Amino acid sequence: GEDVEQSLFLSVREGDSSVINCTYTDSSSTYLYWYKQEPGAGLQLLTYIFSNMDMKQDQRLTVLLNKKDKHLSLRIADTQTGDSAIYFCAEKDSNYQLIWGAGTKLIIKP
Amino acid sequence: NAGVTQTPKFQVLKTGQSMTLQCAQDMNHNSMYWYRQDPGMGLRLIYYSASEGTTDKGEVPNGYNVSRLNKREFSLRLESAAPSQTSVYFCASSEGSGNTEAFFGQGTRLTVV
Repeated sequence: GEDVEQSLFLSVREGDSSVINCTYTDSSSTYLYWYKQEPGAGLQLLTYIFSNMDMKQDQRLTVLLNKKDKHLSLRIADTQTGDSAIYFCAEKDSNYQLIWGAGTKLIIKP
Repeated sequence: NAGVTQTPKFQVLKTGQSMTLQCAQDMNHNSMYWYRQDPGMGLRLIYYSASEGTTDKGEVPNGYNVSRLNKREFSLRLESAAPSQTSVYFCASSEGSGNTEAFFGQGTRLTVV
């Protein structure tokens, strides 16, 4: 079946860039998403990219999509303590169902 | 704005007990979803309702039932709770099935002992 994979943890220093990576298997995915989950809260949409785009930038966030390799990344520039959270990658398949990764916990070191 | 509201926030059940998790959204969304979140795993879809009056099984429906009471409310029922159902449960809603943002509730932390 379809699968989305992410590393479980990423540790970065405050002020550095964070790059969270995701791979997926569904070649017919339509949209790819990054959601953020803060402790004790539900998930909130951070950004998304349509599958025919290569890149999307939104302030400190840059999403890169390599459709050939089925690789999605989220770069957070100038990482702050408020960016500490779990980041979920998800892809919407051709049946419009969301397939979720396990989430990457971003740890910020002072 | 309330968005998606889930109750209760926490619950402890004994094996074999039943309970219903409630979810309501005030955004006039057509689609509603129930997920469970377990450590080291992505969100897994239990059931969803693409529109009022319809419900469909997701990836892990066994041991659960749902009811789309009206457009606002989508409840999840555990008829006979098992320890394997210990998890954090999230309700979500979206306008439709295309590129629409899913809005999540705060989650229900359920422990079955």
